[in-house]
Amino acid sequence: EVQLVESGGGLVQRGGSLRLSCAASGFTFSSYSMNWVRQAPGKGLEWVSYISSGSGTIYYADSVKGRFTISRDNAKNSLYLQMNSLRVEDTAVYYCARLIVAAGARSFDSWGQGTLVTVSS
Amino acid sequence: EIVLTQSPGTLSLSPGERATLSCRASQSVSSSSLAWYQQKPGQAPRLLIYGASSRATGIPDRFSGSGSGTDFTLTISRLEPEDFAVYYCQQYGSSPPWTFGQGTKVEIK
Repeated sequence: EVQLVESGGGLVQRGGSLRLSCAASGFTFSSYSMNWVRQAPGKGLEWVSYISSGSGTIYYADSVKGRFTISRDNAKNSLYLQMNSLRVEDTAVYYCARLIVAAGARSFDSWGQGTLVTVSS
Repeated sequence: EIVLTQSPGTLSLSPGERATLSCRASQSVSSSSLAWYQQKPGQAPRLLIYGASSRATGIPDRFSGSGSGTDFTLTISRLEPEDFAVYYCQQYGSSPPWTFGQGTKVEIK
């Protein structure tokens, strides 16, 4: 069974830093691209960042570019999101999500339960 | 950036009724690049439909997706009590950002 478990969320002051982790199990982690998606309280979903299976390709949403860094350790089956210069508007539940490609179609087929990041002013 | 607009914002229906949810893109989206998700309160999103019309593993056949170009539809043929939730469409263009619609809430009438 595919499992993704996020950790590392918490309360941080504006301008501070946090590092989120996502522990993967139940599949060959090194074969899949991964993503971070966030959801502000009571709001919709926002894609944040993507990393390819071998870390060779990385993308960010404009809203986090230059402040967040995605990385992975395939030996540890783990995905990370280093968040610096945090803003109040970064307050959200952060999900890690696996990207699959089936019949040429991309989708996020597995999601973690999320970890809450709260940035105080 | 491709903007996805979902309508209606809220759909009030009774169990057993048919639900039709719309997702309109600001520019043409490849059919292979459109997915639908269901999210219940306090839970992570769950993949329902990928490639505009293919059901994900374990998804009941009362859920169906259709559409092409800029107009896509998620249909729930007969609402079950567990189907009352928020539904999001998402587009996967050739490169990010991979945007979501703002969501449609399906609530019990």
